[in-house]
Amino acid sequence: KNQVEQSPQSLIILEGKNCTLQCNYTVSPFSNLRWYKQDTGRGPVSLTIMTFSENTKSNGRYTATLDADTKQSSLHITASQLSDSASYICVVSPTTSGTYKYIFGTGTRLKVLA
Amino acid sequence: ETGVTQTPRHLVMGMTNKKSLKCEQHLGHNAMYWYKQSAKKPLELMFVYSLEERVENNSVPSRFSPECPNSSHLFLHLHTLQPEDSALYLCASSYTGQGTQYFGPGTRLTVL
Repeated sequence: KNQVEQSPQSLIILEGKNCTLQCNYTVSPFSNLRWYKQDTGRGPVSLTIMTFSENTKSNGRYTATLDADTKQSSLHITASQLSDSASYICVVSPTTSGTYKYIFGTGTRLKVLA
Repeated sequence: ETGVTQTPRHLVMGMTNKKSLKCEQHLGHNAMYWYKQSAKKPLELMFVYSLEERVENNSVPSRFSPECPNSSHLFLHLHTLQPEDSALYLCASSYTGQGTQYFGPGTRLTVL
């Protein structure tokens, strides 16, 4: 079982609608949690980063939340646009100094339709 | 433009071929990474170089051989690959200490 689970695996929404993507993790303790956006045929691009003590972080229409007690994070997309069609990946970094651990989820594939 | 470039973008090779993937970063980072991305699976870390020294090798078969001649360049040498090695190979760079990773566009590799 992966230490970072994302749901749903895929999602289709209409342009202009909001949506929320989920990330559940078992990594503990951890230093930070990131959300990446990966367009088809491109590498992932960082959207937000939160430390374990932060509850929310926004980047334009993207808002990430973190509940360290329940080990859950969500990415909320407001007023979706066609360009939001991509895979969204949750990444958790364990608190272990001197390592290069980034534990990736399998991603949620979002399709925004006109 | 993320500042991390990869060449080639697409590669088709036979199982007996030898090829190399190239990655270059222009961000002044001191750590570079190779990842393998297969369909419906999380990114798999293959190798990490920090300050040009390999610091992580995640049980990758010897048919994959990394090289980091300096902090800006990273290579992945391929030989006698298998069809199951077909995947998207991503290069990334960051500052050490779990800084945000910046990814290249990837090389789509197909092994026939």
